Amino acid sequence: DGGITQSPKYLFRKEGQNVTLSCEQNLNHDAMYWYRQDPGQGLRLIYYSQIVNDFQKGDIAEGYSVSREKKESFPLTVTSAQKNPTAFYLCASSPRTSGPYNEQFFGPGTRLTVL
Amino acid sequence: AQTVTQSQPEMSVQEAETVTLSCTYDTSESDYYLFWYKQPPSRQMILVIRQEAYKQQNATENRFSVNFQKAAKSFSLKISDSQLGDAAMYFCAYRSEGAGNTDKLIFGTGTRLQVFP
Repeated sequence: DGGITQSPKYLFRKEGQNVTLSCEQNLNHDAMYWYRQDPGQGLRLIYYSQIVNDFQKGDIAEGYSVSREKKESFPLTVTSAQKNPTAFYLCASSPRTSGPYNEQFFGPGTRLTVL
Repeated sequence: AQTVTQSQPEMSVQEAETVTLSCTYDTSESDYYLFWYKQPPSRQMILVIRQEAYKQQNATENRFSVNFQKAAKSFSLKISDSQLGDAAMYFCAYRSEGAGNTDKLIFGTGTRLQVFP
């Protein structure tokens, strides 16, 4: 089955620790995205990548880092510099063709809780 | 910068009835796309419907339809014959189209829809 997988589903972190969230897709999509979801704030873009070995900051990149070494993978590291990391994190991908059918497909998400 | 506003944090509807969720947006662009996503309790984001700004005809997908008013920058979602499975968070989203487009989606804050039997 084609799709996007995120692991783990739930993640607990102690303050001061870095943690990496996994995102893998087998849809052969060029573009990948990371969003953060907080209650009452919708989805906010953290980082995005339109091609392998290239990525750009989104609206709330501070305290996060990413890499895009393979087309299929776009891991997100939440660093100790992120002041309020407890949130639900969603990964998405899109084929980057032009037109309205360049929709983003979402993974099931990871719930990160800082203890 | 583009913004998307959903002014209804919560809505409710009885099964088999019709409900309309509101969305307004602000942009200076002429080419763009608008989307409604559904997020059920599983938290999996699902695309419900899309609308191209250059099309005057409102998009429909089975029981879901939109009322797209480009001049008013309004993009409401109508759900007909509501079902219990329609209960979810609904997000309105905007995407630019044109030179330099990065395919980023800009989301509203969401509307939680409850469906009562």
